[in-house]
Amino acid sequence: DIVMTQSPDSLAVSLGERATINCKSSQSVLYSSNNKNFLAWYQQKPGQPPKLLIYWASTRESGVPDRFSGSGSGTDFILTISSLQAEDVAIYYCQQYYTTPQTFGQGTKVEIK
Amino acid sequence: EVQLVESGGGLVQPGGSLRLSCTTSGIIFSVYWMTWVRQAPGKGLEWVANIKEDGTEKNYVDSVKGRFTISRDNAKNSLYLQMSSLRAEDTAVYYCARGTLGGKAVAGLLDYWGQGTLVTVSS
Repeated sequence: DIVMTQSPDSLAVSLGERATINCKSSQSVLYSSNNKNFLAWYQQKPGQPPKLLIYWASTRESGVPDRFSGSGSGTDFILTISSLQAEDVAIYYCQQYYTTPQTFGQGTKVEIK
Repeated sequence: EVQLVESGGGLVQPGGSLRLSCTTSGIIFSVYWMTWVRQAPGKGLEWVANIKEDGTEKNYVDSVKGRFTISRDNAKNSLYLQMSSLRAEDTAVYYCARGTLGGKAVAGLLDYWGQGTLVTVSS
């Protein structure tokens, strides 16, 4: 199984400041035939199901604010919130959908400083 | 509007069984892979199982193999998870989720989720 490891486990950022979350996979999730990274990011607010934010490592889902961006390739990925808003307080998960089982990172809790 | 609604959760004793359902609306259910994901209280997300559009392929996480069975009824736009030999560590909120259109390659990219149903395994 591919192991997904996120860092940090939690972070506190001031409103309007940048938040950066790292995700590392135990093996590459880059599919060479189409040059796509099978990596997604989800946001989960308290009491709610996860919401898809980003897929193919860097493509924003429809309706997701452009302050959210994803980058990286192969085994190392980053989710950036360029200017943290109060409504961004949540737990963020990376997930590989390269192979079954489609594993998630342990989550990163983002709070307001 | 796409809706996924889980039901069937509850309190069950260790070794018992439970059947979860996920009723969908607003989608052409038969063209999507479907997935169950669970979340233990205060913990992260764990992929549990998925099933191909026509039900001919099913995959499970190792910890539930031989105990859980995923199935679907495309005529009823519904997904199921039959759980048996339940253990305390199966206690979780169980979510059903839709795989993005595009077949097996993107089956794990989950673009719509239900609100979840809580399963508690305890004596």
